[in-house]
Amino acid sequence: EPEVTQTPSHQVTQMGQEVILRCVPISNHLYFYWYRQILGQKVEFLVSFYNNEISEKSEIFDDQFSVERPDGSNFTLKIRSTKLEDSAMYFCASGQGDNEQFFGPGTRLTVL
Amino acid sequence: QKEVEQNSGPLSVPEGAIASLNCTYSDRVSQSFFWYRQYSGKSPELIMSIYSNGDKEDGRFTAQLNKASQYVSLLIRDSQPSDSATYLCAFAYSSASKIIFGSGTRLSIRP
Repeated sequence: EPEVTQTPSHQVTQMGQEVILRCVPISNHLYFYWYRQILGQKVEFLVSFYNNEISEKSEIFDDQFSVERPDGSNFTLKIRSTKLEDSAMYFCASGQGDNEQFFGPGTRLTVL
Repeated sequence: QKEVEQNSGPLSVPEGAIASLNCTYSDRVSQSFFWYRQYSGKSPELIMSIYSNGDKEDGRFTAQLNKASQYVSLLIRDSQPSDSATYLCAFAYSSASKIIFGSGTRLSIRP
């Protein structure tokens, strides 16, 4: 069964450094999403992406964040200058636009 | 007012019994409703989606939606220890839009 994959599974970085989180969505999906979950808190929407542009973003997704689909398979989330409060699980999800979204295993980001 | 409200639990149910999970949502324009299961340290896994009033059954799971009462529930029949997880209620305003999650109900199935 096709699934969303994410790399790395765990990323440790120093405050102020840039990180890139990578995702490979399910191959026939057209809609891509990033969510995050701070430890012990709810899953929060960050951004959605369709047809090579952002379709919606939350107030969390400020100028420090960007997304890109650099080729036909990868979808990336970049955090330009990480803060301590960016420490969280970051989930990529994809869907066909028919309501259902399927989540990848997540990247645990730790900012020291 | 929270957009999605769930009892945080833990809800403890004996093995083989029916587990009943409830959720209310605040926005009447919500269109699509979901139940995700999340094991500790893992990602959310979609187990049920429901779009119209009434019941929807899939194996041991039944989702119930009442839009007038802004209420959605999940029943798990013949509960198994492997059902022990956090169950996330969620909704979306339209197809392909962001999903808004509740904080989840922790379910524990005791042998």
